[in-house]
Amino acid sequence: GAGVSQSPSNKVTEKGKDVELRCDPISGHTALYWYRQRLGQGLEFLIYFQGNSAPDKSGLPSDRFSAERTGESVSTLTIQRTQQEDSAVYLCASSLPGPYEQYFGPGTRLTVT
Amino acid sequence: GENVEQHPSTLSVQEGDSAVIKCTYSDSASNYFPWYKQELGKRPQLIIDIRSNVGEKKDQRIAVTLNKTAKHFSLHITETQPEDSAVYFCAASMGGGYNKLIFGAGTRLAVHP
Repeated sequence: GAGVSQSPSNKVTEKGKDVELRCDPISGHTALYWYRQRLGQGLEFLIYFQGNSAPDKSGLPSDRFSAERTGESVSTLTIQRTQQEDSAVYLCASSLPGPYEQYFGPGTRLTVT
Repeated sequence: GENVEQHPSTLSVQEGDSAVIKCTYSDSASNYFPWYKQELGKRPQLIIDIRSNVGEKKDQRIAVTLNKTAKHFSLHITETQPEDSAVYFCAASMGGGYNKLIFGAGTRLAVHP
């Protein structure tokens, strides 16, 4: 079946502009996660959605970052007033309620110039 | 807060040798411990996982051991091959049935022919 998909695959934006990243999880996966991975670094947790529960936003680095999820489907991560330090690969993952294996999407590579 | 420490950060072995990566976790309620492999430019993918009701699991050349008393788990790769070269991440679930995974910082494994 289809895996986790993300769009766009690459995004180049100017400092100060807003960007919106999209994640389509695997159908039936009620849990959805966003991570940030800077070049050569580990997985930095950003936010976690589980069904209709309030999201865990404890990893969002600043109030410029926000995320939404419509029911148990698509999620969007929005970064306002982008800064150069926001340049990274943004990975989305989904899983069954569990804990269970997280399936990662291919990521969106964000470059802020 | 919850924490997962991973060692070593880099590991270099000769083809055919064994490689061992170790992780410790802080949340005694953690009950799910996956290992992910991330090849250069690719997304993380699960290679093996273990739950707290077993002490060891093996899949061909890969094995994971878990010591709940010591809050310690390890990945063992035998007969390493150049295609095993990648970054490996361990993770531990948060307690209380919460899906969120806490990831280690990663180990860069290089297997030399």
